[in-house]
Amino acid sequence: EVQLLESGGALVQPGGSLRLSCAAFEFTFSSHFMSWVRQAPGKGLEWVSTVSSTGRNTYYSDSVKGRVTISRANSKNTLFLQMNSLRAEDTAVYYCAKVRASETYYDAYDYWGQGTLVTVSS
Amino acid sequence: DIQMTQSPSSLSASVGDRVTITCRASQDIRYYLAWYQQKPGTVPKLLIYGASTLQSGVPSRFSGSGSGTDFTLTISSLQPEDVATYYCQTYDSAPQTFGQGTKVDVK
Repeated sequence: EVQLLESGGALVQPGGSLRLSCAAFEFTFSSHFMSWVRQAPGKGLEWVSTVSSTGRNTYYSDSVKGRVTISRANSKNTLFLQMNSLRAEDTAVYYCAKVRASETYYDAYDYWGQGTLVTVSS
Repeated sequence: DIQMTQSPSSLSASVGDRVTITCRASQDIRYYLAWYQQKPGTVPKLLIYGASTLQSGVPSRFSGSGSGTDFTLTISSLQPEDVATYYCQTYDSAPQTFGQGTKVDVK
């Protein structure tokens, strides 16, 4: 069964940095685009970033562009999100999500991790 | 950037009722639209992709329609387990956008 396990969430001070990881199991990780989606407490879903299957192409929301880097290690079936210059408004549960079809950006997310909580506060 | 506007923001209906949620895109997104269900305290679940294709394992009472800018999620006969917040999402381009959500309750 497909599984996505996020880790790395923590309480961090404004201006700090954090690296989130998402370990993937039971699918051909290297064939699928992967994304991070976040959800602030009591709020809706917000797309953060997507990386292509090879890692060569990356896409970011305007709210994180320049502060966040998405990457992947296909040899380790792991997705990453490096977050710098964190702000209070980055406080959210961060989900990693798998694009349904292989080798395409243009599809929905068929599997989601359980999420990891990032809290930005002094 | 594409804006996705869902309506209503919340609704309450009786068991067995037909429920319709709409999602309007600020520009043509072809059929690059998905619907998700998120029950309280749980992870989003994919219901519909490609505007109208039912994800495997999703009950047939859920259906999606539309293309271009106007889309609809329909629950043909509302069940107690359908209490959740429903989100539309476009993956037509970057940045991707989710609708603000529609909270569905049972009377």
